[in-house]
Amino acid sequence: QSALTQPASVSGSPGQSITISCAGTSSDIGYFNYISWYQHHPGKAPKLIIYDVTKRPSGVSNRFSGSKSGNTASLTISGLQADDESDYLCSAYTRARSYVFGTGTRVTVL
Amino acid sequence: QVQLVQSGSELKKPGSSVRISCKASGYTFISHGLHWVRQAPGQALEWIGWINTNTGKPTYAQGFTGRFVFSLDSSVSTTYLQISTLQSEDTAVYYCARDPHTTLDYWGQGTLITVSS
Repeated sequence: QSALTQPASVSGSPGQSITISCAGTSSDIGYFNYISWYQHHPGKAPKLIIYDVTKRPSGVSNRFSGSKSGNTASLTISGLQADDESDYLCSAYTRARSYVFGTGTRVTVL
Repeated sequence: QVQLVQSGSELKKPGSSVRISCKASGYTFISHGLHWVRQAPGQALEWIGWINTNTGKPTYAQGFTGRFVFSLDSSVSTTYLQISTLQSEDTAVYYCARDPHTTLDYWGQGTLITVSS
């Protein structure tokens, strides 16, 4: 199973919105609506911020939102804050009943 | 609160074995499966498989059968990952993660396994 494709880096100024893409195939992203996004500070446990494409766990800011179109999922961070600077990973539950992860995107707040 | 606490870093020689642990707390252990994921240096996260904490049945991803073994000790709410015949390519951070249903909602802090002669 090949990793999902994410841009290596995305940047934005405080207050702006940014969108991170996650491209896969009809066997992973396109198969189920089981797409998750994680915020991952190096050396720490990944934190779930979006699941089932659009849902936010309790306590996660509504500045984070998810969507999907075909074989591509997206994470949008609105009202960018310095605190949002981190790595972001996508994940899909696949047709094979396995998990596949994205290549990761480093978000920089300018 | 839900916590997954993993054992500490390991430095191992090629050909040896290692067992790392993941202790769960803050929820009913048998109610959610536990998964193992690894991240080699500079690489994407890679799913290794999962263990059904109710039945003990393991499921391994392609490429992780044979040398990778999951086990449980439900009496201490802990799952284990044993890797035998270690190779340099096994050098990675290994994570355990809880699965409430088609997502991984809580993760351990990671265990670094370094395989070097």
